[in-house]
Amino acid sequence: AQSVAQPEDQVNVAEGNPLTVKCTYSVSGNPYLFWYVQYPNRGLQFLLKYITGDNLVKGSYGFEAEFNKSQTSFHLKKPSALVSDSALYFCAVYSGGYQKVTFGIGTKLQVIP
Amino acid sequence: DGGITQSPKYLFRKEGQNVTLSCEQNLNHDAMYWYRQDPGQGLRLIYYSQIVNDFQKGDIAEGYSVSREKKESFPLTVTSAQKNPTAFYLCASSAAGHRSNTGELFFGEGSRLTVL
Repeated sequence: AQSVAQPEDQVNVAEGNPLTVKCTYSVSGNPYLFWYVQYPNRGLQFLLKYITGDNLVKGSYGFEAEFNKSQTSFHLKKPSALVSDSALYFCAVYSGGYQKVTFGIGTKLQVIP
Repeated sequence: DGGITQSPKYLFRKEGQNVTLSCEQNLNHDAMYWYRQDPGQGLRLIYYSQIVNDFQKGDIAEGYSVSREKKESFPLTVTSAQKNPTAFYLCASSAAGHRSNTGELFFGEGSRLTVL
């Protein structure tokens, strides 16, 4: 069975500072890993994904994520946070074929002006 | 533009009533999904369909029903048997089963159901 853990319910960061939202996963075989963002009362929007290749993945809105196979982690990062980045962030894992996508419980990011 | 349309955005229901949430996609995706979102619980899978005229129960299917008569449409009915139906419901689709599929999901804007 596959699973995703987001250990922080909420992350607070000052505007302009770097941010990190943590994610660890468990899956048999090679994982496909994703980050999605959700603004209040909206659907989820795709940010970025790791399939294979470079461990550092770049995505939308200046976000990037680092895949670490030995630590089974896929942390989301941004060098300089914006107030508009405040939202709910979901990490997800997929193992291919007709398998379902498994989501973490989400981490609320609060960027303080 | 291609995408997923959910309606209605907000819905109020009296206890004991069934209600149907609409989900339509024009992405030509074979697979469609319904998720329920509650605060602090992430997304929980209700039902999914990988092809027309076929669907499977997800993790929390009790009190819900679906149909998949057309590729573009995957409506969800919340029945009176669902004990706690107040939630935010999200529909999604993917190209599951295709060789090029990498698992990315495309979401609608959600429907918020409140039981009075």
